[in-house]
Amino acid sequence: EIVLTQSPATLSLSPGEGATLSCRASQSVSSYLAWYQQKPGQAPRLLIYDASNRATGIPARFSGSGSGTDFTLTISSLEPEDFAVYYCQQRSRWPLTFGGGTKVGIK
Amino acid sequence: EVQLVESGGGLIQPGGSLRLSCAASGFTFSSYWMHWVRQAPGKGLVWVSHINVDGSGTNYADSVRGRFTISRDNAKNTLYLQMNSLRAEDTAVYYCVRDLKTTNWFDSWGQGTLVTVSS
Repeated sequence: EIVLTQSPATLSLSPGEGATLSCRASQSVSSYLAWYQQKPGQAPRLLIYDASNRATGIPARFSGSGSGTDFTLTISSLEPEDFAVYYCQQRSRWPLTFGGGTKVGIK
Repeated sequence: EVQLVESGGGLIQPGGSLRLSCAASGFTFSSYWMHWVRQAPGKGLVWVSHINVDGSGTNYADSVRGRFTISRDNAKNTLYLQMNSLRAEDTAVYYCVRDLKTTNWFDSWGQGTLVTVSS
């Protein structure tokens, strides 16, 4: 099973600041990595797939990069609605796996 | 608008069985792979199972293989998850999830149904 390790576990930032979230895979997943956002009491939402493609309706302040084992989700300038938990997910091999999540909280 | 509405969750004793349903609307259900993903209270996301468009192909997480069965009825636009031999560690919110066109990315999610396994 491919293990995805996200860091940091928690990020405390202010609105308007940029955020950089990391996801590291235990083996290469090529570009087969996605990012999801989950707010309290809500279902997750797909943000980025294939490492760098924004999903439909996702604002341009969200961007993804990386390949192989190291990936980054960047939020260029945090809006109040961006404070949430973010998960990465790989589809390179079965079983599909998620990272443990990074919580982006308000400082 | 894509809608996925789960039902069938509840409190069940260890060793018991439960069947979850997911009613799909707003898209051509028979054209999409579907998945179940679960989330234990306060924990992260865990993929559970996948099914292809006609039900001829399925995949499972090791933790549920042999106990859970995914199926679909394209005539009824409904996805199912039959869960047998339930354990306390199966306690979670179960999400019905649509695949982003045979990619294994999850592009639409239901609101989830809570399954609690406890005596």
